[in-house]
Amino acid sequence: DIVMTQAPLSLPVTPGEPASISCRSSQSLLHSNGYTYLDWYVQKPGQSPKVLIYLGSNRATGVPDRFSGSGSGTDFKLKINRVEAEDVGVYYCMQALQTPWTFGQGTKVEI
Amino acid sequence: DVQLVESGGGFVQPGESLRLSCSTSGFRATFNRYWLSWVRQAPGKGLEWVANINEDGDEKFYVDSVRGRFTVSRDNAKNSLYLQMNSLRIDDTGVYYCARRSVAFDHWGQGTVVTVSS
Repeated sequence: DIVMTQAPLSLPVTPGEPASISCRSSQSLLHSNGYTYLDWYVQKPGQSPKVLIYLGSNRATGVPDRFSGSGSGTDFKLKINRVEAEDVGVYYCMQALQTPWTFGQGTKVEI
Repeated sequence: DVQLVESGGGFVQPGESLRLSCSTSGFRATFNRYWLSWVRQAPGKGLEWVANINEDGDEKFYVDSVRGRFTVSRDNAKNSLYLQMNSLRIDDTGVYYCARRSVAFDHWGQGTVVTVSS
């Protein structure tokens, strides 16, 4: 199974300041078709998860452009340009390269 | 608007069964073009992918901990997804979400709670 490791697990942030979360996979997430199967999700308190980034670096529809995803192979990053109060929640990376699809442990972002 | 609504959760004892349903709306014409999944979350814990089913329902994948006990299925005529859960264990307790897979899990339900306890 591919193990996904996030850091940090807790991230205190200041509104207006940048923030970033790291995600590392135990195997490369690059498929032979050239796509990298790494997603980012956020779960806000009391809500279902919501997609932020897919295929490593593509922002999902409706996601503010202060969110960006980068990385390749086994090392990925989610960046928030200027944190807003509404960004509090738990952020997860997930690999969909091979089953079982696996999530990182989650990073709790709090003001 | 695309919506997914789970139902069927409840309180059961170890060894018992439950059948979860996920009814969908807002993409009736294209329902049979999407993979669908179940993802669960134990109390206070992170997300765990449980099962996938392809567009036609003839390819199914499971996490090891549920293989042989859970069965995912779909009814494309009813735009619905199901999860038959047998031989439930205490560690199956959690919120079960259904999710639509396009390039990512682009739509999720609100979840249904399954509690397994003696």
